Amino acid sequence: DTAVSQTPKYLVTQMGNDKSIKCEQNLGHDTMYWYKQDSKKFLKIMFSYNNKELIINETVPNRFSPKSPDKAHLNLHINSLELGDSAVYFCASSPGGVRGTQYFGPGTRLTVL
Amino acid sequence: EDKVVQSPLSLVVHEGDTVTLNCSYEVTNFRSLLWYKQEKKAPTFLFMLTSSGIEKKSGRLSSILDKKELFSILNITATQTGDSAVYLCAALKTSYDKVIFGPGTSLSVIP
Repeated sequence: DTAVSQTPKYLVTQMGNDKSIKCEQNLGHDTMYWYKQDSKKFLKIMFSYNNKELIINETVPNRFSPKSPDKAHLNLHINSLELGDSAVYFCASSPGGVRGTQYFGPGTRLTVL
Repeated sequence: EDKVVQSPLSLVVHEGDTVTLNCSYEVTNFRSLLWYKQEKKAPTFLFMLTSSGIEKKSGRLSSILDKKELFSILNITATQTGDSAVYLCAALKTSYDKVIFGPGTSLSVIP
């Protein structure tokens, strides 16, 4: 069973469209994250949720909106996609507290044309 | 501003060589230092270091943290082509488990 799963794995879309990426973890973790990895491979945190509550919201355009329907799911919705949004988006989860090791999903490669 | 720096940014070695990857950090509310290996897909966890001076080992990989000098090293002995990857260092903060990643070291091991 996959611990952290994301769908879709690949997403190709036109500028201006709205798209969503879904993430689910079956590890029973309390905390989930979204990261963006750009072409230079730099992993940067975007959001973090703990038990469905937003706890980290980095300087991300408000076109990006995370939603956590329950603590096992954290979805990312992106409005009005721009060329610069092209990247790999990773979801991750961690048990939180002193055991903070993060487990990453396989990533979603988003290409905006 | 929180910062994690890694060096070198890329490295090419021959199989059998020993490599040392460096990571320094300036992070408020620091809790632990994490090392990840990223091949083609998602980063996979290698080590979490919380205490200074205690070496952690896993096979040919080992790592140690110096909290006074704010750095960590990752050693790989007898490198193999399968060690080729990007090695990411990250600082875990106490506040909300926020993780700050470094830029990574791209390691290529050639036969």
